[in-house]
Amino acid sequence: SYEVTQPPSVSVSPGQTASITCSGDKLGNKYVAWYQQKPGQSPMLVIYKDDRRPSGIPERFSGSISGNTATLTISGTQGMDEADYYCQSWDSSTALFGGGTKLTVL
Amino acid sequence: EVQLVESGGGLVQPGGSLILSCAVSGITFRDSTIHWVRQASGKGLEWVGRIRSNAYSFATAYAASVEGRFTISRDDSKNTAYLHMNSLKTEDTAVYYCIRFGELEDAFDIWGQGTMVTVSS
Repeated sequence: SYEVTQPPSVSVSPGQTASITCSGDKLGNKYVAWYQQKPGQSPMLVIYKDDRRPSGIPERFSGSISGNTATLTISGTQGMDEADYYCQSWDSSTALFGGGTKLTVL
Repeated sequence: EVQLVESGGGLVQPGGSLILSCAVSGITFRDSTIHWVRQASGKGLEWVGRIRSNAYSFATAYAASVEGRFTISRDDSKNTAYLHMNSLKTEDTAVYYCIRFGELEDAFDIWGQGTMVTVSS
């Protein structure tokens, strides 16, 4: 079955740029969304349609896609950005989530 | 304020059944597609299924892992969606989220707080 792959963990220093990748053979055919989940909370949409930001999401969050790899970039990372991040796309009518990436702000 | 509130979670024995509810307010529920996503403790997100609106004949779709055991329904008069879970297995233990699918965003834009389902003898 089709899978979407993320690195399990990414570390970044405060103020630096964090990049989280999401790879899948069919990613270029469907939109990718990104969700942030902090401990004990429900996930929250931070990027939709590959590179669009919902209202209320800080400008330091951006998304991009190249071929079959989508990337979530957090510029000027802050301590409050420490969380799990999930990419999500589609395989026909089935939603697919990546395994999640734990972002640690050291 | 848009709210999705899940209820009905609890402890159930393997092979048992449970019905989760998702009460929605603050949006036009009848026009909304509702999805269910689950998350086992310490694990990632897993899509469970969805139900579309009357405009799409209430079409449903399910993950292979629950197909034939879980059914999603809705009552537009009550602004509520349901997840009917049968033949439950220990691996179904998870927090279950109901989510409104944002048509403009083509993404899951509003999440409920989740309800815990534990399948154990």
